Amino acid sequence: QKEVEQDPGPLSVPEGAIVSLNCTYSNSAFQYFMWYRQYSRKGPELLMYTYSSGNKEDGRFTAQVDKSSKYISLFIRDSQPSDSATYLCAMIRAGNMLTFGGGTRLMVKP
Amino acid sequence: EAGVAQSPRYKIIEKRQSVAFWCNPISGHATLYWYQQILGQGPKLLIQFQNNGVVDDSQLPKDRFSAERLKGVDSTLKIQPAKLEDSAVYLCASSTLAGRNEQFFGPGTRLTVL
Repeated sequence: QKEVEQDPGPLSVPEGAIVSLNCTYSNSAFQYFMWYRQYSRKGPELLMYTYSSGNKEDGRFTAQVDKSSKYISLFIRDSQPSDSATYLCAMIRAGNMLTFGGGTRLMVKP
Repeated sequence: EAGVAQSPRYKIIEKRQSVAFWCNPISGHATLYWYQQILGQGPKLLIQFQNNGVVDDSQLPKDRFSAERLKGVDSTLKIQPAKLEDSAVYLCASSTLAGRNEQFFGPGTRLTVL
């Protein structure tokens, strides 16, 4: 069993839709939770960073962490074609070692 | 602020050949990482340096992969000999020691082994 599980998609939605992306994890040692966005042929870039259970909002993006269920989510409101990318959840345990999920490919159609 | 630089961007080699990748991190970043990203998967950490010392190389296939970070700045990752399953994007990232240690990624080197 992988430490971090993520549905690979692809997820196709119309422009303006609310998108929900999710990850589950098995290791209770993970302390910090992140979402990265990766455009085709580019490196990942950090979108959201959280360290506690609850919600964190940044513009159209909301990250949600439920440590008791070992479940994290990223919501994108009013999705745009420019949001089309692969979204990677990632988690950090001691030593700043990042463990990534497999990524979900999102396509937002105009 | 300049980002993480990597070269080459693309490389095609035959199996059993050797190849090297180069990374220049963001100026002042003490920690440098090499990741392997196979198509359709998330990045997997190969090795982490802090300054010029190795912090973690537990997932580096040491029989064929090697990495060094001389003088605590640039780094090279080498594969010798390459296998078909090494076809992947090799990503370099760097971070500071302070704050939340956000990792900044370079564009990657896409390796194809034929």
